Amino acid sequence: AQSVTQLGSHVSVSEGALVLLRCNYSSSVPPYLFWYVQYPNQGLQLLLKYTSAATLVKGINGFEAEFKKSETSFHLTKPSAHMSDAAEYFCAVSEGGGNEKLTFGTGTRLTIIP
Amino acid sequence: DTGVSQDPRHKITKRGQNVTFRCDPISEHNRLYWYRQTLGQGPEFLTYFQNEAQLEKSRLLSDRFSAERPKGSFSTLEIQRTEQGDSAMYLCASSSPAGRRGNEQFFGPGTRLTVL
Repeated sequence: AQSVTQLGSHVSVSEGALVLLRCNYSSSVPPYLFWYVQYPNQGLQLLLKYTSAATLVKGINGFEAEFKKSETSFHLTKPSAHMSDAAEYFCAVSEGGGNEKLTFGTGTRLTIIP
Repeated sequence: DTGVSQDPRHKITKRGQNVTFRCDPISEHNRLYWYRQTLGQGPEFLTYFQNEAQLEKSRLLSDRFSAERPKGSFSTLEIQRTEQGDSAMYLCASSSPAGRRGNEQFFGPGTRLTVL
């Protein structure tokens, strides 16, 4: 069985500061990992994904994440926060290999302080 | 490519009524997924289709829930005898043909169900 833990249900950072959203996973097979963003009353949009290629993955809107197998982590970062980054962020894992269903974490709400 | 669409966007119903939601995936995508998201939680997997075949159902999908994808294109999710606990956002997603590793799932805007 696979699972995802997102530490911190709410994170606040000042505009221009570093954004760090934490995600730890558990999987019995090499995982595929994803970060999605959800704006109010909208569906989910993919920020980036890890599929066993490069461990440092760059996504849209300046976000990136690093896969660390030894720490079972896939933390999301952005060097400089922008007001438009305020949203809910979800980390997700799938087993791949034909089993593509996603298991999501509980989400982290990011607030940007002007 | 107009993305994944869902209809209706909002549904308010009384307990005990039946409701049906529709999802239209991206046209070339043969995989279609349904998830449920309650307030303050991440989406939870309900079921998925490859073409018209329903390949997996979560234990969350009680006997009151049924999903179909009759022609391998759009899908419907029906909830019979709705309960207040069914109130949630129902999300649909689709992905490109099987065999491609780490398929990205494209999500629709969701249908928000409120059961009074």
